[in-house]
Amino acid sequence: KNEVEQSPQNLTAQEGEFITINCSYSVGISALHWLQQHPGGGIVSLFMLSSGKKKHGRLIATINIQEKHSSLHITASHPRDSAVYICAVFSGTYKYIFGTGTRLKVLA
Amino acid sequence: GAVVSQHPSWVICKSGTSVKIECRSLDFQATTMFWYRQFPKQSLMLMATSNEGSKATYEQGVEKDKFLINHASLTLSTLTVTSAHPEDSSFYICSARLRDTYEQYFGPGTRLTVT
Repeated sequence: KNEVEQSPQNLTAQEGEFITINCSYSVGISALHWLQQHPGGGIVSLFMLSSGKKKHGRLIATINIQEKHSSLHITASHPRDSAVYICAVFSGTYKYIFGTGTRLKVLA
Repeated sequence: GAVVSQHPSWVICKSGTSVKIECRSLDFQATTMFWYRQFPKQSLMLMATSNEGSKATYEQGVEKDKFLINHASLTLSTLTVTSAHPEDSSFYICSARLRDTYEQYFGPGTRLTVT
């Protein structure tokens, strides 16, 4: 079993839908990072969380340390949101432990 | 925001030759840089951790004589794939850690094809 699990693995949504991607982890963490990888391969940092909630534009990320769970929400989804979303945690070191990724496709 | 560049963005080389990939942090100092490899539709796999001024730390199963890493300055790390073979063809990505934080910023990646 992976130390960081994401669900769903694949997600297809219609434009405008509210999207939630979940991340559960089984290790103690120092921080959790949500990343976005576009089809071309480039990786963009979306959020780094150690507690609570963060919002940036249409994206919201939350983390519950006690439950070892984080969610990434996308409001009013758009085809340009189509990408792979990766949850990654730091557990005592500066090395990432990556989740399995969620492949999102938003249809126009 | 912090920017990390990689060069080249793609390279095709013949089997047996060596290829050097550069990773630069453009507007911040990175005491630590990481090199990853990614196969199609798979997650990133950490190859090595590169610390400025010291030897790189390689992950289990990664041949250090095959993948030479040099971190000569606070803004530059290089990965050299020596005597490349077709099975080395992959997408290589670096990231740079902002000093004294957990924040990492990724380069755009280098697609290597060995023929």
